[in-house]
This record gives sequence, structure tokens and C-alpha cells, in this order.
Amino acid sequence: DAGVIQSPRHEVTEMGQEVTLRCKPISGHNSLFWYRQTMMRGLELLIYFNNNVPIDDSGMPEDRFSAKMPNASFSTLKIQPSEPRDSAVYFCASSLDSGETQYFGPGTRLLVL
Amino acid sequence: GEDVEQSLFLSVREGDSSVINCTYTDSSSTYLYWYKQEPGAGLQLLTYIFSNMDMKQDQRLTVLLNKKDKHLSLRIADTQTGDSAIYFCAEQSGSARQLTFGSGTQLTVLP
Repeated sequence: DAGVIQSPRHEVTEMGQEVTLRCKPISGHNSLFWYRQTMMRGLELLIYFNNNVPIDDSGMPEDRFSAKMPNASFSTLKIQPSEPRDSAVYFCASSLDSGETQYFGPGTRLLVL
Repeated sequence: GEDVEQSLFLSVREGDSSVINCTYTDSSSTYLYWYKQEPGAGLQLLTYIFSNMDMKQDQRLTVLLNKKDKHLSLRIADTQTGDSAIYFCAEQSGSARQLTFGSGTQLTVLP
């Protein structure tokens, strides 16, 4: 099994630019989670989907952040416009079903200059 | 809301046992997890324990759960330099779907 796949692994961009992070969950998993990791705030859940439907987006920082899951094998997290304070590691995780064990991808390291 | 606390740092000598502690506040937690994060890498699931258990052993790893005190620990026997990493405790309550993570404990294994 390939595990959760995220791309890109690293992203450096300038303030104001649009950033799109991508995630492919483990095949057969129907729950997908986006987390953000920073030194100051640790690991925070941004949003999670169940059967491609957003269930809880209360962790999304503000309107600049949006997430989609057009099908069971693909999700995006978009930041538009990006700001330096968005610099963090963004993790995607998937689980067989809601409440099941979550498996994490390698993360995308985002630096906004 | 839920809160998970961990000490930030732990140093041990190679070959000794490591014990990483975690406390949580949500009494309705159903599963408690330990994840390992190596530098520049993602989170690797190490083990988990269901809340109606008090101990789980998996090779060098032993998880102890004191549900009354809401205290979870991870013991690593015969700690090796490859065990150096950040260890995250996380709890998952029955009604919610997300994990609440602790701040992570940086384990340093000295030769």
C-alpha cells in the first residue's frame, strides 16, 4: 500500500500568491483530514471529510482557506491569498471510516515569504 | 474542550527504558494513540489503546492507561538511537471524529 500521498512535499511562495496542496488518501478509506503543524500551536485539525462531504470545518482559520474533495481519491487545500503566518507543515490523514485510526501523509512544508 | 498535556523533553541513555507520559481531560475518550515523528517526516502511528483496556504491549512498546487519573504512558524498552524523535499522544472521543494532540515530547537518546 502506498499510504497517504501528499504533494508538493515543499512549497516556497511569496505573500499574496495562491497555494494549492494536494492529498491522495489510502484506497478504500472514506474519511480524510487536513491538519496544520506549527511550533506555536502544535497540530491543529483544519477540516475533515467523510464520504467526500465536509463534516467539520471549524478549524479552518479564515476565508482565505478552502478545501475540496471532488472524489474519494483526491482532496485539495487552497490558500488564497497566502500570508507569511500561513507558513507551516500541512498534513493530510485518512481513515477507514470516521472514528477509525488515522494514517498520516508525509506533509507539505509551506513557506510564505 | 479537550486538552492533552505532555512534557516537552526527555533524554535517556541508549539501552535504558524510556517512559513518555501524557494526561488528557476528556473522560469520554474512546481511543488513545501514540504517534512518532522523525525530523522532517510525517506522523507514524506507533500504537493505540482502547479506553476499556489498561495495558497493551507490542514488542518493545508498552502502553499503560489509568482511566481514573486520565493518564497515559508509553514505555520503550531498550531504547535505541533510532528511537530519537518527537512522540505525540492523541485522544479521540466517541462523539467527535478528530484527534486532539498533545504538544509532543522530544526524546533524545544519548550514546
